[in-house]
Amino acid sequence: QKEVEQDPGPLSVPEGAIVSLNCTYSNSAFQYFMWYRQYSRKGPELLMYTYSSGNKEDGRFTAQVDKSSKYISLFIRDSQPSDSATYLCAMSAVQGGKLIFGQGTELSVKP
Amino acid sequence: EPEVTQTPSHQVTQMGQEVILRCVPISNHLYFYWYRQILGQKVEFLVSFYNNEISEKSEIFDDQFSVERPDGSNFTLKIRSTKLEDSAMYFCASRDDGRQPQHFGDGTRLSIL
Repeated sequence: QKEVEQDPGPLSVPEGAIVSLNCTYSNSAFQYFMWYRQYSRKGPELLMYTYSSGNKEDGRFTAQVDKSSKYISLFIRDSQPSDSATYLCAMSAVQGGKLIFGQGTELSVKP
Repeated sequence: EPEVTQTPSHQVTQMGQEVILRCVPISNHLYFYWYRQILGQKVEFLVSFYNNEISEKSEIFDDQFSVERPDGSNFTLKIRSTKLEDSAMYFCASRDDGRQPQHFGDGTRLSIL
């Protein structure tokens, strides 16, 4: 079983839609969870950072962590064409430790 | 907003040659990392570095790889004798001494011929 699994997509939605992205993981030691956005030929850009279980909201973005199910989600409300990118989940067992990434989900938001 | 800077953006090297990838982390950051992403694959951890020594390294980071912080601003990754399979995007990341996550540069695309 892969340590972190993420559906690579591609996912195509109309502008204004709510987007749901998710990852599952197998290592129960993971405690720190991140979502990064990656545009073509650019580096991962941090979107959300959460510790342990719970929800975190920042503008149009909401991150959820369910450690009991080993499942994390990123919701994007009122999606915009500029949100078109690859979204990477990443997690680590210790603060500042090595990040284990998912495959990334390619999202396309159509005007 | 401060950012991690990587140079060059694209490096083309003959197989067997040495290559040095350079990174300037965010100025007050203390923890430094290298990751790589082979085309179409996941981002993979290579090495972490703190207080002038390696904190952790992956099995990918063998004797052909080394890291160095030669001065107060640069952080380098050296590959001693490059192989075709070293072709990838190499990302540098840094973080401060707190509960903050890692911030990434835009990467160096390494092409081995």
